[in-house]
Amino acid sequence: AQSVTQLDSQVPVFEEAPVELRCNYSSSVSVYLFWYVQYPNQGLQLLLKYLSGSTLVESINGFEAEFNKSQTSFHLRKPSVHISDTAEYFCAVSDAGGYQKVTFGIGTKLQVIP
Amino acid sequence: NAGVTQTPKFRILKIGQSMTLQCAQDMNHNYMYWYRQDPGMGLKLIYYSVGAGITDKGEVPNGYNVSRSTTEDFPLRLELAAPSQTSVYFCASSYRGNQPQHFGDGTRLSIL
Repeated sequence: AQSVTQLDSQVPVFEEAPVELRCNYSSSVSVYLFWYVQYPNQGLQLLLKYLSGSTLVESINGFEAEFNKSQTSFHLRKPSVHISDTAEYFCAVSDAGGYQKVTFGIGTKLQVIP
Repeated sequence: NAGVTQTPKFRILKIGQSMTLQCAQDMNHNYMYWYRQDPGMGLKLIYYSVGAGITDKGEVPNGYNVSRSTTEDFPLRLELAAPSQTSVYFCASSYRGNQPQHFGDGTRLSIL
């Protein structure tokens, strides 16, 4: 079985400050990892994904996440946040072999303060 | 470029009524899912389907039913609505079970 832990339920941060949203996973097999973003009154949207290759993956709007196998982590970072980044962020894991479905974390609400 | 379409967007039901939440995708995805989202609780998987004619229970299936007669459509049926089913319901689809999921915009359901 696999699981995902998002350590912070809410993260307040001032505009233009850096942010890190933490995600740890548990799995006995090779994994795929995802971050989704949910803006108010919308569905989840894929922000970035790690399937294989470079352990550092980036999104088009300045977020990045690094797959750390030894620490079983996939933390999401942005060096300078904007008001428009206010949203809920979900970390998710699936197994690379395709035998298990995606498992989602419970989400972290990022509140950017002007 | 519709993706995953859910209808209705909002609905208020009385206790004991029934209704069907509609979900359609135009990406020819094999896998489809229904989740409910409650504040602070993340996403709970209700039912999923790996292809037309095949459905299976998720973690919270009680009080719900699904069918998958076509690749495109995956309706969720609520029988005998209860206040505990007040939630936001999301439908999603993916090409394979371990691939990124595409979500609809949700149906906000209140049962009074």
